[in-house]
Parts: sequence; structure tokens; C-alpha cells
Amino acid sequence: DTGVSQDPRHKITKRGQNVTFRCDPISEHNRLYWYRQTLGQGPEFLTYFQNEAQLEKSRLLSDRFSAERPKGSFSTLEIQRTEQGDSAMYLCASSPGTVTDTQYFGPGTRLTVL
Amino acid sequence: GNSVTQMEGPVTLSEEAFLTINCTYTATGYPSLFWYVQYPGEGLQLLLKATKADDKGSNKGFEATYRKETTSFHLEKGSVQVSDSAVYFCALSHSGGGADGLTFGKGTHLIIQP
Repeated sequence: DTGVSQDPRHKITKRGQNVTFRCDPISEHNRLYWYRQTLGQGPEFLTYFQNEAQLEKSRLLSDRFSAERPKGSFSTLEIQRTEQGDSAMYLCASSPGTVTDTQYFGPGTRLTVL
Repeated sequence: GNSVTQMEGPVTLSEEAFLTINCTYTATGYPSLFWYVQYPGEGLQLLLKATKADDKGSNKGFEATYRKETTSFHLEKGSVQVSDSAVYFCALSHSGGGADGLTFGKGTHLIIQP
């Protein structure tokens, strides 16, 4: 068990560019979650998957954001036409998938939009 | 909607002092409650949880009791150590078990001085 991994750990981009982040959950974890954390705030829930199905999306997930988990393993989060307000830490978490499971968090991807 | 309010930081204490970090919540239904900790340079880790009223979660000397009547989940430790210095987040689940997205408080930065 190597834990939840995220790639890249840091991303600097210019406003208007597209970026994509990857999350690899703990092996055999069915549920995968994305959160966003800005400086001085707690993580904010964005979306989650049960296997390959996206079951819930927060209103924070604007049309410029899209997440996929095509084979029920790793997931990608894409942000199109980035804005300075998208600068944040993007966190991924996974859990085995039963009702009372703990969510295990990855180290995050820090996005800076110039 | 769901929300979590926790005391503002930073909280600065001397080693071996008693710690209380207040957390109150607003939620529909019967959420599960969590404390997560983020040590410097590391990802979020679950510290403890409670899934129903009057449950007490405990770990590493920390305790918190789920108080439905006061909608609170205060974190306590009898004698803190320098190694407890971290940011602590109170959170609740959207559903009863924690398998869905979590709602976090803003975090409380704890500094323990030798």
C-alpha cells in the first residue's frame, strides 16, 4: 500500500491555459474524491466517483472543470481556460467504498495561475 | 446546507498544557464527524472520528465526543507535545457514514512551544 499519489505536485501556468492533474488512489479503493483547498481555508469538496461513475458534483465545479475515472482506477481533473482564482491546492482522496470508510488523502497538486 | 465552524488560530500553548479546539456544526440528518490533522509538509491524515451521537473518538491521546444536543465535536488532549504542532480540521460527512464528500472547517493552527 503506497498511499494516494498525485501528479504533478506543483503546476505553474498562465491564465487561459488548460491543465490536467492525475490521482492514483490506493489499490482496490472504489471511491475517489477531489477537493480544492485555498490558503487559510479547509478543503472544499468538488466531486467523487464510485468506480468509474461520477456520483456527485459540487456547485464549485464550474463548466471549466471536468473529472474522469475511465477504468475505475486513476482519475484526472482538467481545468480549461484557467483563471487566477483557480490557484489552489487540489487534493485527491480515496476510500474502500463502504458506508463508514475513512478517506485517505494524497499530498495534493499546488496550482499557481499567473 | 452543511457547515463546520472551528475556533480561529493560531493557538499557542506550552508543552504539557491542556488542549481544547472547539468545533460546532450545522447539518441535516445524522452526519459522521471527523478530526483531520495536517503536519508541516504532509497531507491530511484522519486523527479520529465518531459516527453517532455520544460516541467518543480517540487516537494518540486526543479525544472528541459527538454531542448532538450542542452540535459540537470539540477536540481535547490532556498534555500536548511539541510534535502535536500542526493544523487541525474538523469535518462532517454529507451522508451518515462518511463515504460521500466531507465538509471541512477552516482549520486551527496549533503551535506547541517547548
